[in-house]
Amino acid sequence: QVQLVESGGGVVQPGRSLRLSCAASGFTFSNYGMHWVRQAPGKGLEWVAVTSYDGSNKYYGESVKGRFTISRDNSKNTLFLQMNSLRAEDTAVYYCAKGFGGSSGWVAIDHWGQGILVTVSS
Amino acid sequence: QSALTQPASVSGSPGQSITISCTGTNSDVGAYNYVSWYQQHPGKAPNLIIYDVSNRPSGVSNRFSGSRSGNTASLTISRLQAEDEADYYCSSYTTTRLVFGGGTKLTVL
Repeated sequence: QVQLVESGGGVVQPGRSLRLSCAASGFTFSNYGMHWVRQAPGKGLEWVAVTSYDGSNKYYGESVKGRFTISRDNSKNTLFLQMNSLRAEDTAVYYCAKGFGGSSGWVAIDHWGQGILVTVSS
Repeated sequence: QSALTQPASVSGSPGQSITISCTGTNSDVGAYNYVSWYQQHPGKAPNLIIYDVSNRPSGVSNRFSGSRSGNTASLTISRLQAEDEADYYCSSYTTTRLVFGGGTKLTVL
């Protein structure tokens, strides 16, 4: 079965950096687009970024563009999110998520990790 | 980035049907057949229930259905059950990114 396990979260000061990782298993990782989606405490879902199956295309939400970088290592079935210049408003649970594939490509998300909390605070 | 507009809350009694709307623009909901719906129970990750406007993934109950008219997509849940009480989110593709709705809390009375 599909498993997505995030790691690397925690408490970080404003302006600092953090790198999230997501270990994927149970499917052919290199065939699917992969996302990061976040959810601030008590708030709704916010799309963060997506990478195509081969890493050649990457797209970002407006609030993180220029500060966050999504990447993947298909040889290790791992997705990353490098987060720089962190702000208090980046505090959220970050979900690693798998694109549905098929005719939908990456535009629907069919599996989600359990999420990992990132807290930006001094 | 502007979120899609959903009602903050809806409610219904067991056995009834409810509809949740998701209003976007002719750049997102009205432009592409890429509207999805997600169900999220408290403390859990979201679960895909509708993709490509009206398709159900394998294993999702046929009590869930999706549709679209112009720039507004809709999720209908028929024969409401207690387990349907959750938050529901729509999303749409729009030129190289996804956008989510603000979410709707469904209460089963």
